[in-house]
Amino acid sequence: GIQVEQSPPDLILQEGANSTLRCNFSDSVNNLQWFHQNPWGQLINLFYIPSGTKQNGRLSATTVATERYSLLYISSSQTTDSGVYFCADEEGISSGSARQLTFGSGTQLTVLP
Amino acid sequence: EPEVTQTPSHQVTQMGQEVILRCVPISNHLYFYWYRQILGQKVEFLVSFYNNEISEKSEIFDDQFSVERPDGSNFTLKIRSTKLEDSAMYFCASSEQWEGEWAKNIQYFGAGTRLSVL
Repeated sequence: GIQVEQSPPDLILQEGANSTLRCNFSDSVNNLQWFHQNPWGQLINLFYIPSGTKQNGRLSATTVATERYSLLYISSSQTTDSGVYFCADEEGISSGSARQLTFGSGTQLTVLP
Repeated sequence: EPEVTQTPSHQVTQMGQEVILRCVPISNHLYFYWYRQILGQKVEFLVSFYNNEISEKSEIFDDQFSVERPDGSNFTLKIRSTKLEDSAMYFCASSEQWEGEWAKNIQYFGAGTRLSVL
């Protein structure tokens, strides 16, 4: 099955700093999603980004499908950005079936005040 | 904004007991999923469900697990005889897959049920 690698595994920042999280895929990118898992364990959808670039406030994401990677940018980080960031993608596109997501191991982000 | 609802938020049970985890997917979604996350590890796929039957299941989803859509709104995961290693966060997700030029499948996750098996 598809392999999803995330880097770095851990990241500690001072409030206000910028960061880049990376996701590499072993196979073609299909329906890539980025999630934030907050300290309460909730998985929050950040981006659906199979290709191109999207921005939402201080967060933006870029997926280069031809090179099988995606980047998540966090600018002017805040303590509330702390948590684990996951990327996930599907095995392949098939119609009429529910397609599972394969998750990476996550990046644990800690933003210090 | 519509959301996936899971109950209970925390379930404590004794080893060997049956548990049922409940989910209410987003109302117009047709595809449903269960995932689990053991503490400190990544999120793992368990099972997907479409058109009233299991679509895919992982190796984790053995005979101790079952899923059901008992009515038009609920989606449940049953663990028949819980083991210590079943302790994890269980997430329900749903999606409205769009077929066509670009098959889009955005999965929305519930807040999870933390299962503790003692």
